[in-house]
Amino acid sequence: DGGITQSPKYLFRKEGQNVTLSCEQNLNHDAMYWYRQDPGQGLRLIYYSQIVNDFQKGDIAEGYSVSREKKESFPLTVTSAQKNPTAFYLCASSIELAGGPITGELFFGEGSRLTVL
Amino acid sequence: AQTVTQSQPEMSVQEAETVTLSCTYDTSESDYYLFWYKQPPSRQMILVIRQEAYKQQNATENRFSVNFQKAAKSFSLKISDSQLGDAAMYFCAYRSASDAGNMLTFGGGTRLMVKP
Repeated sequence: DGGITQSPKYLFRKEGQNVTLSCEQNLNHDAMYWYRQDPGQGLRLIYYSQIVNDFQKGDIAEGYSVSREKKESFPLTVTSAQKNPTAFYLCASSIELAGGPITGELFFGEGSRLTVL
Repeated sequence: AQTVTQSQPEMSVQEAETVTLSCTYDTSESDYYLFWYKQPPSRQMILVIRQEAYKQQNATENRFSVNFQKAAKSFSLKISDSQLGDAAMYFCAYRSASDAGNMLTFGGGTRLMVKP
């Protein structure tokens, strides 16, 4: 079945460690996104990519890094520079491209919960 | 910058009854899109309903409908004949029509509980 797969589902990190969250999609979507979800704050955009080998910072990119070497994959690294990394992270993809019809529909993975010990 | 506010952190409804979730937004743009997303306990978020700001007619999708008041910048979601499967977090979201990509601004969410 087509969809977005995030792994791991739960991740624990010690302070000072970098961790990488995986996001893979087989929907053939060009655009991919990383959101952070905190209670009461909704979803906030970390990074997005509209095409392979290109990505842009979202509203809260500090302390995070991404890569987009393949269309199907958009991994997120939470670095030691992120001061408050404990959160739920959601990856999404979209068929929508710049200049094309507007759908607003994002397809989400099931998320990864990161806890800093 | 656009902001989206959901003033009800939690709501509850009796099964088979109707509930309305509130959402307000702030924007200086005239052309935009509004959405309601549902996040069930399994965590995979899905799109419930979409409204184009240029359309006066309120969007409906089966038991889900919206009340879009452009002048008041209000976008509420009405769920009729509530079912146990409607229990979830609901997020209101905004998208500018002029954005190059599909970047949405989300509200803080409303947790809906459905009582049997």
